[in-house]
Amino acid sequence: NAGVTQTPKFRVLKTGQSMTLLCAQDMNHEYMYWYRQDPGMGLRLIHYSVGEGTTAKGEVPDGYNVSRLKKQNFLLGLESAAPSQTSVYFCASNTQQGNNEQFFGPGTRLTVL
Amino acid sequence: QQQVKQSPQSLIVQKGGIPIINCAYENTAFDYFPWYQQFPGKGPALLIAIRPDVSEKKEGRFTISFNKSAKQFSLHIMDSQPGDSATYFCAVRDTGRRALTFGSGTRLQVQP
Repeated sequence: NAGVTQTPKFRVLKTGQSMTLLCAQDMNHEYMYWYRQDPGMGLRLIHYSVGEGTTAKGEVPDGYNVSRLKKQNFLLGLESAAPSQTSVYFCASNTQQGNNEQFFGPGTRLTVL
Repeated sequence: QQQVKQSPQSLIVQKGGIPIINCAYENTAFDYFPWYQQFPGKGPALLIAIRPDVSEKKEGRFTISFNKSAKQFSLHIMDSQPGDSATYFCAVRDTGRRALTFGSGTRLQVQP
């Protein structure tokens, strides 16, 4: 199993450009999450999904959109990137059952100039 | 608002020491309290977790102490090793939403 994978690993954007971050998991998990990590602030939840076709807002959703068209994929979109969105983005997933452990991907480092 | 306050921000101990990291939370609607460990360039990974119906949990050299009335929980690392040098995050899980809210992190350095 690959677990949780994220693409791309690194990206540099100019202000106003758009991009999509892809998260994929092969563990058949129902729940998926997008977090951003900034120095001194821990991880903050952007959006999450409790199942295919459903999404919900987290703590810091402004400027981001998400889609969960397939159970194994969770996409994070930035329609018009801003320097404040420079961050490391992590995707995570977990199952409804068991010990609720969230499994994290390796992260995407995004710089917006 | 900050629902989880973690301290200290950084910690340096000698090999064999017992670093202690503390977290305090503000809401009672949490049902799961994990600690995550993160190495540079990697995603966080679950280290140990506790539910509010127990006061202590041990897994190897790692122990969580939980004080429900004080709304505090802490991570103790026994016989710390240089390989434990990492950033540690506490988190709380919202009962309804099932999403995690993380503390701001503690950078631990264990010197040989």
